[in-house]
Amino acid sequence: EAGVTQFPSHSVIEKGQTVTLRCDPISGHDNLYWYRRVMGKEIKFLLHFVKESKQDESGMPNNRFLAERTGGTYSTLKVQPAELEDSGVYFCASSQESRIQETQYFGPGTRLLVL
Amino acid sequence: AQSVTQLDSHVSVSEGTPVLLRCNYSSSYSPSLFWYVQHPNKGLQLLLKYTSAATLVKGINGFEAEFKKSETSFHLTKPSAHMSDAAEYFCVVSDPSGTYKYIFGTGTRLKVLA
Repeated sequence: EAGVTQFPSHSVIEKGQTVTLRCDPISGHDNLYWYRRVMGKEIKFLLHFVKESKQDESGMPNNRFLAERTGGTYSTLKVQPAELEDSGVYFCASSQESRIQETQYFGPGTRLLVL
Repeated sequence: AQSVTQLDSHVSVSEGTPVLLRCNYSSSYSPSLFWYVQHPNKGLQLLLKYTSAATLVKGINGFEAEFKKSETSFHLTKPSAHMSDAAEYFCVVSDPSGTYKYIFGTGTRLKVLA
């Protein structure tokens, strides 16, 4: 069974440009989460999808970030325009159920560097 | 609110000696706790999880953790470190308030010396 995949693995862009990150969850997993780790800080929650619906986007830093999950399969996270403080590692995770004991399966992350 | 505190940002051990990575949690509910590991340039991999079935949890690669409610701790241990254990380890609590998002500790980097 394929795991969670993310594309690209690395992205280097200039301030003001746009970047789109993609996440493909494990097949059949309705729950998809985005997390981010800014250098030197802990990994923090960004948002949660159940199928195509946003359940919780309380962690999204501002309106420069837009996440979508059309059709309830893969998800994209767009940053427009990118700022220096957006640099970090963006992780995607998926799970079958949404419950307290559920394991989330993580992708390898996208390393974003904004210059 | 739920939170986890990893008490050491870096731990160094010699190969073949025991590993202890410390984690304390704060939770107003009966928590679900996890340990994940991240090897360089890899994703996060689940080592083990506590779900109230047993206080001593065994995970992969010889790791185990003990849930101690009285001490609000969930420390990760391994009897004998291997070079391949060098990685960053994250203690995680699941937030029960709605989406069950993960709340991460700041991570502990484990270095294994030959």
